[in-house]
Amino acid sequence: GAVVSQHPSWVICKSGTSVKIECRSLDFQATTMFWYRQFPKQSLMLMATSNEGSKATYEQGVEKDKFLINHASLTLSTLTVTSAHPEDSSFYICSARNLADEQFFGPGTRLTVL
Amino acid sequence: LAKTTQPISMDSYEGQEVNITCSHNNIATNDYITWYQQFPSQGPRFIIQGYKTKVTNEVASLFIPADRKSSTLSLPRVSLSDTAVYYCLVGFNTGGFKTIFGAGTRLFVKA
Repeated sequence: GAVVSQHPSWVICKSGTSVKIECRSLDFQATTMFWYRQFPKQSLMLMATSNEGSKATYEQGVEKDKFLINHASLTLSTLTVTSAHPEDSSFYICSARNLADEQFFGPGTRLTVL
Repeated sequence: LAKTTQPISMDSYEGQEVNITCSHNNIATNDYITWYQQFPSQGPRFIIQGYKTKVTNEVASLFIPADRKSSTLSLPRVSLSDTAVYYCLVGFNTGGFKTIFGAGTRLFVKA
């Protein structure tokens, strides 16, 4: 099956710093990628839809200036958590959709903000 | 707001067949139904996908009635390693094509 990678797999940062997470589709092109966050023992919550070459579409309640998304190519989307705070600590997961409308998920990135 | 509904949790024993049903009343006409498995601290893993009737692969079967307002994931002869959270995922064409996760079903397989 198709492979989606994320980097880094985990990151620890100080409060106030910015963190960038990369999501790559390794063997297919993805015009659409999604970013989710997941808190312990909860379901995945969709944060935004990332479309190649255009602005991301954010879900209600997700601050676009806080979570910057860039989808510069058909295989790469990045999520930057700006001025991170402890409440941003979470498990961030991306997914990519191929031309057959199949959606594949990355392994996730554990963000811990001290 | 369109959403999926699944049982919160299920228990089973090794070797049994497990059926998990998901309701999705507002499914889009052209959308597929996909089931994922998730272990702690990992991304969801694709299990099976279907549009209507029945789909079977090497790990599961997916049953979808004609009205497509629900679907049932069938796991034959589960093992301890099948203990995980299972999500059904459909795309809802509200405000753009996007997929929303429901709460998922926590399956616990006992020896």
